[in-house]
Amino acid sequence: EPEVTQTPSHQVTQMGQEVILRCVPISNHLYFYWYRQILGQKVEFLVSFYNNEISEKSEIFDDQFSVERPDGSNFTLKIRSTKLEDSAMYFCASSAGRRAGELFFGEGSRLTVL
Amino acid sequence: KQEVTQIPAALSVPEGENLVLNCSFTDSAIYNLQWFRQDPGKGLTSLLLIQSSQREQTSGRLNASLDKSSGRSTLYIAASQPGDSATYLCAVGESANYGGSQGNLIFGKGTKLSVKP
Repeated sequence: EPEVTQTPSHQVTQMGQEVILRCVPISNHLYFYWYRQILGQKVEFLVSFYNNEISEKSEIFDDQFSVERPDGSNFTLKIRSTKLEDSAMYFCASSAGRRAGELFFGEGSRLTVL
Repeated sequence: KQEVTQIPAALSVPEGENLVLNCSFTDSAIYNLQWFRQDPGKGLTSLLLIQSSQREQTSGRLNASLDKSSGRSTLYIAASQPGDSATYLCAVGESANYGGSQGNLIFGKGTKLSVKP
């Protein structure tokens, strides 16, 4: 069964360092998303991406965050200068179409900022 | 602002019981509602998706209902098994996002289910 894959599964970084989280969405999907979940809290929307541009972003997704689809398969989330409060599980998701609605999530990348 | 609440926060039942998990949302203008399962330290597995025009969806032992007007959804699990132990998340897709990707899901905090053998 097709699945969303994410790497790394766990990354530990020092505050102020740049981090890139990678995702390979399901191959025929057109819409891509990043969500995050701080330990013990709700899953929160960060950004959606379609046709090589951001469709929508939340208040959390400030200038230190960026997304990119560098080739036909990968979708990346970059955090330029990590803060302690960026420690969270980051989930990538994809969906087949605008109205399809059903999102498929990856296993997540756990980011720990020290 | 849309708020999604799930009750109870935790539930422990003996194996074989039928159970209901509740989800409520404050703004009935939703595009769809999706139920997910999350195992500890793992990703989200989609269980059921209900479009706003639908009343319920079924998959195996799972049945989800949607009452938009009252801002409620329930997930019914029949004949629970220890393997059902996980956190169940409800998420709504807001219709205000029409024209975009419809991917901005608003999540509840989840119900942690434990099924005892």
